[in-house]
Amino acid sequence: DAGVIQSPRHEVTEMGQEVTLRCKPISGHDYLFWYRQTMMRGLELLIYFNNNVPIDDSGMPEDRFSAKMPNASFSTLKIQPSEPRDSAVYFCASSLGGGPQHFGDGTRLSIL
Amino acid sequence: GDSVTQMEGPVTLSEEAFLTINCTYTATGYPSLFWYVQYPGEGLQLLLKATKADDKGSNKGFEATYRKETTSFHLEKGSVQVSDSAVYFCALRSQGGSEKLVFGKGTKLTVNP
Repeated sequence: DAGVIQSPRHEVTEMGQEVTLRCKPISGHDYLFWYRQTMMRGLELLIYFNNNVPIDDSGMPEDRFSAKMPNASFSTLKIQPSEPRDSAVYFCASSLGGGPQHFGDGTRLSIL
Repeated sequence: GDSVTQMEGPVTLSEEAFLTINCTYTATGYPSLFWYVQYPGEGLQLLLKATKADDKGSNKGFEATYRKETTSFHLEKGSVQVSDSAVYFCALRSQGGSEKLVFGKGTKLTVNP
């Protein structure tokens, strides 16, 4: 079975540009999570959805970050405008209500 | 708020050595506890879990026991292999229905042949 699929795997862009990260959860899963991983702060939950509805976005750093889940099989995390301090690995994970979270391989984002 | 503290790494061991990675938590009530493992270039994978006090989670030779009295969930393995080299994360999910996981900072383990 296909796991959580994230794209792109790597993204390098200049400060000020818009960045869009994409995630396809495991089919049938009803929860989707976005995490950010940095050396300084470790792994942080940014936002999570249940049945496509945002449940907790308290981890979203600021208004430059936004996340959407238009349907059960797709989600995006957008940064506009991007800044060098946004450089990190971004993970998407999905789960079936109360079960373990399954992670994608991540998007390594570098903002120059 | 809820938090997880795990021993700082890196940890370097020889093959067949005994492994312990300490993890303690702060949370109200009875959270669920997890260990995740991350191999280079990959996402996190669930290694084991425990959902109530005195439960022991185990998988692939790794074990951890939920100790409410010491608020701990230490990871152990009796004989590590080179293939166990990875970063290990302790995490908790609060009691009360939220799906949010709170992670420790991670401990990098290197096992030398």
